[in-house]
Formats: sequence, structure tokens, C-alpha cells
Amino acid sequence: NAGVMQNPRHLVRRRGQEARLRCSPMKGHSHVYWYRQLPEEGLKFMVYLQKENIIDESGMPKERFSAEFPKEGPSILRIQQVVRGDSAAYFCASSLGPSANTGELFFGEGSRLTVL
Amino acid sequence: AQSVTQLGSHVSVSEGALVLLRCNYSSSVPPYLFWYVQYPNQGLQLLLKYTTGATLVKGINGFEAEFKKSETSFHLTKPSAHMSDAAEYFCAVSDRGQGGKLIFGQGTELSVKP
Repeated sequence: NAGVMQNPRHLVRRRGQEARLRCSPMKGHSHVYWYRQLPEEGLKFMVYLQKENIIDESGMPKERFSAEFPKEGPSILRIQQVVRGDSAAYFCASSLGPSANTGELFFGEGSRLTVL
Repeated sequence: AQSVTQLGSHVSVSEGALVLLRCNYSSSVPPYLFWYVQYPNQGLQLLLKYTTGATLVKGINGFEAEFKKSETSFHLTKPSAHMSDAAEYFCAVSDRGQGGKLIFGQGTELSVKP
């Protein structure tokens, strides 16, 4: 049973480049959540998606950040024109149904973005 | 809106001593509460959760937590710390009215001294 798979685990980008982070949820899970963890901080919610739909993007920065979860394939978090402040660990989590009902999220090991 | 406050960003205990990590929450609806553990360079692993029913919940690795509505608390305890318990611990509340995302506290780093 594969868990939540994230890739790449480590990504280095120069300022102004694009970063694409991928997340494959656990088998059978159709709900995906993205979180960002900055050094010495907790996890901050970014976006909640179901297949082909964005349910809650209240934590997403208004510019440069976007997320999708297509019918086929992984969920993707895209950061355009990266800046040094984007350096962080980005975690993806999945659940069978809305976590309000099931009560639990399953997390991947994270993608660590470093912007030079 | 829901929120979580973890008291103490760093806690240090001796091996064999009691572990107590504090968590207070704010929620406008009956909460679902969670404790997750994060080992270095890894993702988060669920330790235990409270949804309904018994207010004392037991989790993995000997941890337990008690939901106290009157105190809006969900403190995590373990009677005897082990070196392998050294990690970061996160308390979270489910945003049940807004699609169910988890809202996390700032985290508490637990160190265990030999």
C-alpha cells in the first residue's frame, strides 16, 4: 500500500524560475490538501482540492501560486517566478473523504524547495 | 474560526520522565482534535485523534491525550519518555465547517536527554 507520494523531495530553483511540486494521493483518496511549512513555523494550510475542483484556496497567496488536481494524474502545486521567501517544505496530504467527516489526513514526506 | 495554541515551542525531558505537551484550541463547533508527530525530514504521522465519545484517547507509542471541553484543552502525555520520542509534535483542529482542513498549532519540539 503506497502512501502519499510527493516529488521531487528536494528542488532548487533560482529567483524568477518556476517550481512544480507533484502529489499522488493514497489509493482511493480523492481529497488532497497542500500545506507549507516555513522554518521554525507550523504548517499553514494552502489549498484543498478534489478531482478537477478547487474546494478551498483561502490559504493560497493571491499571485504566482496555483494548484490543480486533474481527473487523471497527480495534484500539482505550481509556483511561478519564485522568490527567496518561497523557500519552505511543502506537504501534501490526502483523505478518503472530506477530513471533517473522516477526521484524518495522511501526509507525504514533503517537497523541500530552496530558492537561490 | 478554529485555532490552536501550543504552549512551549521547545520541551526537554529526561529519559523515563513524564512527557506533557500542551494544546489549547478554539472552535465554534464541537471539535475534532489531533496530535501528529514529525521526525526530521519526514512527513507528519498521526499519533491520536478525538472525534466523539471517550475523552481520553490512546494513540501509538504509548501516547495519550484527554479532551477537556471546559478548559478547551487537548494535552498530550506519555508516562515515560524514550529517546526515540524526540521529534516535533503538532496539535491540530479540524475546520469542520469549512471543508474539513486541519488547522495546526506552531509545534513543540521535544528533546529527550539520556
